[in-house]
Amino acid sequence: QQQVKQSPQSLIVQKGGISIINCAYENTAFDYFPWYQQFPGKGPALLIAIRPDVSEKKEGRFTISFNKSAKQFSLHIMDSQPGDSATYFCAAGPARQLTFGSGTQLTVLP
Amino acid sequence: NAGVTQTPKFRILKIGQSMTLQCTQDMNHNYMYWYRQDPGMGLKLIYYSVGAGITDKGEVPNGYNVSRSTTEDFPLRLELAAPSQTSVYFCASATGTGGLRYNSPLHFGNGTRLTVT
Repeated sequence: QQQVKQSPQSLIVQKGGISIINCAYENTAFDYFPWYQQFPGKGPALLIAIRPDVSEKKEGRFTISFNKSAKQFSLHIMDSQPGDSATYFCAAGPARQLTFGSGTQLTVLP
Repeated sequence: NAGVTQTPKFRILKIGQSMTLQCTQDMNHNYMYWYRQDPGMGLKLIYYSVGAGITDKGEVPNGYNVSRSTTEDFPLRLELAAPSQTSVYFCASATGTGGLRYNSPLHFGNGTRLTVT
């Protein structure tokens, strides 16, 4: 079974700090790498996504860094805010059938 | 648009009972999915559909069945509930005319929390 390994399981960051979540995948055929954000009691929602032909994508305070040779990608949240406290899931695959990581529970302290 | 609507929000089943989790979307999306979410395990794909009349198994299909008679609805059926099916179930949809594109995000419902005792 193709896996996507996500770390850390939980992360506590001070307001204004940088949050970093890492993911690694196995299948070199994967061509789509999204991150989803989930608040308690809600379904996940797409946060940002990247294709393997670029090494970095930035949207506001959120950046994906992608290392194709290492088969790793990471989410960086700059200037983390208490409102960013949520569970974050990485995913990888063809867009029609994503494999999700196990999730990271982020807590941003005020 | 209501987006993706799941019912019920909560349900308690006894072992061996059956039930149907309902999912409907009003975005005319052709792709629909069922995931289960267990603590520390992420989201596991149960079944998915690329259009009305077409369904396919995901990673964890055992114990479940689906049907897709219309574009809008994608119900998930549990025939003989087992404690291992205690989970939060999410339905999702995505647009994908001509194939699902990388910029076609999954739109999730708010989930059904199921407990089997």
